[in-house]
Amino acid sequence: AQTVTQSQPEMSVQEAETVTLSCTYDTSESDYYLFWYKQPPSRQMILVIRQEAYKQQNATENRFSVNFQKAAKSFSLKISDSQLGDAAMYFCAYRRKYGGSQGNLIFGKGTKLSVKP
Amino acid sequence: SQTIHQWPATLVQPVGSPLSLECTVEGTSNPNLYWYRQAAGRGLQLLFYSVGIGQISSEVPQNLSASRPQDRQFILSSKKLLLSDSGFYLCAWARGLAVFNEQFFGPGTRLTVL
Repeated sequence: AQTVTQSQPEMSVQEAETVTLSCTYDTSESDYYLFWYKQPPSRQMILVIRQEAYKQQNATENRFSVNFQKAAKSFSLKISDSQLGDAAMYFCAYRRKYGGSQGNLIFGKGTKLSVKP
Repeated sequence: SQTIHQWPATLVQPVGSPLSLECTVEGTSNPNLYWYRQAAGRGLQLLFYSVGIGQISSEVPQNLSASRPQDRQFILSSKKLLLSDSGFYLCAWARGLAVFNEQFFGPGTRLTVL
């Protein structure tokens, strides 16, 4: 079974600085998807960025980028120029590409990010 | 555009009482639908998913059940609530299975069982 581990329950960053959130996962599959979701205090889950495992190029969305290390099964999220609105819970998630469970997401336990003004 | 609704937003129920949470999606047809639970201080756990009307798959054994009476309606139920059922319940939808699709989440329902 696949598992997702986020080893940092809480992180803090100064406004305008850069922070990296860690995520590791365990799978025996070679092709899959990885996601980072953001959950602000409103509790709405928002997709931040996604990565396809067969693509070696790291995904980037504006100030958000990932460091995808497939061999190490690592998928970290880097937030550049942190803003107060980035404060939220961040969840790393894994999704199978094929097979059963119909594309269900497997989530890590989350990292709470605080942004200091 | 597509939207997803959940109600109620908050709910306080006594132990042993029944439960019915509703999720509806607008602006799309034949979506995949999901129910997740987020317990305090923990990540999201998939409870049920559905690929069509009347088709429900359960990911974990529990006190809850799900139904999909209509294409864009997904209901989470319980006959008798337990204290451990407390949590934040999120419904999500996605367009399909074999494409690189995104799951869109609803606003959630906070359930407190006393």
